[in-house]
Amino acid sequence: DQQVKQNSPSLSVQEGRISILNCDYTNSMFDYFLWYKKYPAEGPTFLISISSIKDKNEDGRFTVFLNKSAKHLSLHIVPSQPGDSAVYFCAASPNTSGTYKYIFGTGTRLKVLA
Amino acid sequence: DAGVIQSPRHEVTEMGQEVTLRCKPISGHNSLFWYRQTMMRGLELLIYFNNNVPIDDSGMPEDRFSAKMPNASFSTLKIQPSEPRDSAVYFCASTRTGGRYEQYFGPGTRLTVT
Repeated sequence: DQQVKQNSPSLSVQEGRISILNCDYTNSMFDYFLWYKKYPAEGPTFLISISSIKDKNEDGRFTVFLNKSAKHLSLHIVPSQPGDSAVYFCAASPNTSGTYKYIFGTGTRLKVLA
Repeated sequence: DAGVIQSPRHEVTEMGQEVTLRCKPISGHNSLFWYRQTMMRGLELLIYFNNNVPIDDSGMPEDRFSAKMPNASFSTLKIQPSEPRDSAVYFCASTRTGGRYEQYFGPGTRLTVT
């Protein structure tokens, strides 16, 4: 049972355009969300996070939007650069006191075309 | 500062053999996580430790899998006996305890069981 879903396995975007990566979750107990980026042969690295008390968080070219009613979050990258080509994972953490585990999605492979 | 260290980076073994994966977390991090990455399921949390104590091992697939953390700077994930379906990339991650902090991942161990 996949509680965090990334339904698009891959996405191709032209350099300079906007990349939008989507993530859906099923567990209403999730209240903290993160995005990680992963290059081949490396471990995932943290990109950006958002708490459920917000609906938007921005960091440079990266913005995460959270729609709690739809149980949906998205990562916007603008403008997209070739170096952004990687696999992107969204992750969610439940609001359970004392536990800080994250449930990850299956990932979306982004390819930014020069 | 050194990041999360995992060894070996690659492991090829025959079905039925014992496999031991090793992880050294970032100094000062009190939480350690073991994940398995597959195409079908993305990043699956196998087990995590707080202050060397296993907190949640619900993701461990079978009794063939076991994990230990004898001290704050070392953890092992053991598979005995190994099977071809265990072939995957195994990641270790660490983080500070006590809040919603991002996890820092190691480079992973690519396990192939023939």
